[in-house]
Amino acid sequence: DAGITQSPRHKVTETGTPVTLRCHQTENHRYMYWYRQDPGHGLRLIHYSYGVKDTDKGEVSDGYSVSRSKTEDFLLTLESATSSQTSVYFCAISDRRQGARETQYFGPGTRLLVL
Amino acid sequence: DQQVKQNSPSLSVQEGRISILNCDYTNSMFDYFLWYKKYPAEGPTFLISISSIKDKNEDGRFTVFLNKSAKHLSLHIVPSQPGDSAVYFCAASVQGAQKLVFGQGTRLTINP
Repeated sequence: DAGITQSPRHKVTETGTPVTLRCHQTENHRYMYWYRQDPGHGLRLIHYSYGVKDTDKGEVSDGYSVSRSKTEDFLLTLESATSSQTSVYFCAISDRRQGARETQYFGPGTRLLVL
Repeated sequence: DQQVKQNSPSLSVQEGRISILNCDYTNSMFDYFLWYKKYPAEGPTFLISISSIKDKNEDGRFTVFLNKSAKHLSLHIVPSQPGDSAVYFCAASVQGAQKLVFGQGTRLTINP
C-alpha cells in the first residue's frame, strides 16, 4: 500500500468555522490530489498539486483552498465551512515517471460533517 | 457535463458467475482508463487499467475491455467471489493532463 495518511479521519464542525484537512505521503510522489465523494457523483477533483507551491483547481474548487509547502504534505482548507461541504474527502498521489501513466493511489479518507 | 458515466448504480451477481460492470465516456481525447475498487470506510484501490492502443487487458480474474468506437469500457470479473462486493469506479484521463475523471460508481453485491 502507498504510504498515505489523512488527518483527522473524522470531524464534526459548525457552519462558518474554518477547517483544515491534512494529507501526508511517504512516497516522495510529485503529484497530490484532493477529491470529495458524494452519493451519485462519484469522486470529484477539488484541487491538485504538481509540485511544492504548485497547485491548480479541479472541477469543484469553490469554497476550498490548498497549500503545499513540502513534498510530503498537502493541506485542504475550508475557509468557512457550509453544510454542502459535508462529504468524504480523499487524498491521492501519483508519480509520472517515464513510460508510466497517471495511476493514482488513495488515502483512507476523512469524513466531515458540517452542522 | 458528466464525461464518464456508470449508468448502473448497483449490480447483484451470484457467487461463481461472471460480473460485468460498464462505463461510457464522451470525451474522445481520453486515452487511458482505469478501474478502482472501494470498500466501505476505505480509500479506493487501483484494480486494472488499459491504454487506448489496446482493446483488452487481463489480470487474473479481472479483464477490462475497451471499445473505442462505442466509447465504452467494461470490467469482467470471473468467477465472482464474496470479497468482490464493493463499489467500483471507472476513470479516464487525457495524455499529459495528469488528472483523472471518475464515473459515479457501481455497487457490486456478490450473493452466496
